[in-house]
Amino acid sequence: TQLLEQSPQFLSIQEGENLTVYCNSSSVFSSLQWYRQEPGEGPVLLVTVVTGGEVKKLKRLTFQFGDARKDSSLHITAAQPGDTGLYLCAGERSNYQLIWGAGTKLIIKP
Amino acid sequence: KAGVTQTPRYLIKTRGQQVTLSCSPISGHRSVSWYQQTPGQGLQFLFEYFSETQRNKGNFPGRFSGRQFSNSRSEMNVSTLELGDSALYLCASSFSEGMDTEAFFGQGTRLTVV
Repeated sequence: TQLLEQSPQFLSIQEGENLTVYCNSSSVFSSLQWYRQEPGEGPVLLVTVVTGGEVKKLKRLTFQFGDARKDSSLHITAAQPGDTGLYLCAGERSNYQLIWGAGTKLIIKP
Repeated sequence: KAGVTQTPRYLIKTRGQQVTLSCSPISGHRSVSWYQQTPGQGLQFLFEYFSETQRNKGNFPGRFSGRQFSNSRSEMNVSTLELGDSALYLCASSFSEGMDTEAFFGQGTRLTVV
């Protein structure tokens, strides 16, 4: 059973379009982390959100943590081919364990 | 600062054999976690070691075991290999104290069981 549900699992869009990836759970997390993984590499941290309702921006990427700290979203504006990769969310439990979503495979076509 | 180093990068083993994978964390990190990644199951948590003690454990059979040494280096062992154990095994280290829980991953060991 996946404690963190990520959707969609796969997304293929044209360059310039906008997209949103969702990460949902029935559990409360002390923080929520988003990672991007490229082929042949391990995941790399993009951002950590800690406070309910928090919004963080990283250039064209906007991350939001739900008010109840159970869900999060990643919005990409004007996607570019360089955004292609596997996006993973991970919720931190009180015992420091990270609970991982299954990932969203994103392909941006030129 | 050197990153997380996993060895070997690639491994081919036969069913029934055993394998040991190694992970050297970032200097100063006391937490090392191991994950199995497959296209069908995503990133599955195996276990986490913190200061030589297993702090968290995932839902894997007892064939999967690990340990951490006093210098924080960690090894993962899989005994009696099965075809389904073919996967990318990732190791992540973190400071894991207070608010700093960012996981730094190695490039992984690609294990193929034939």
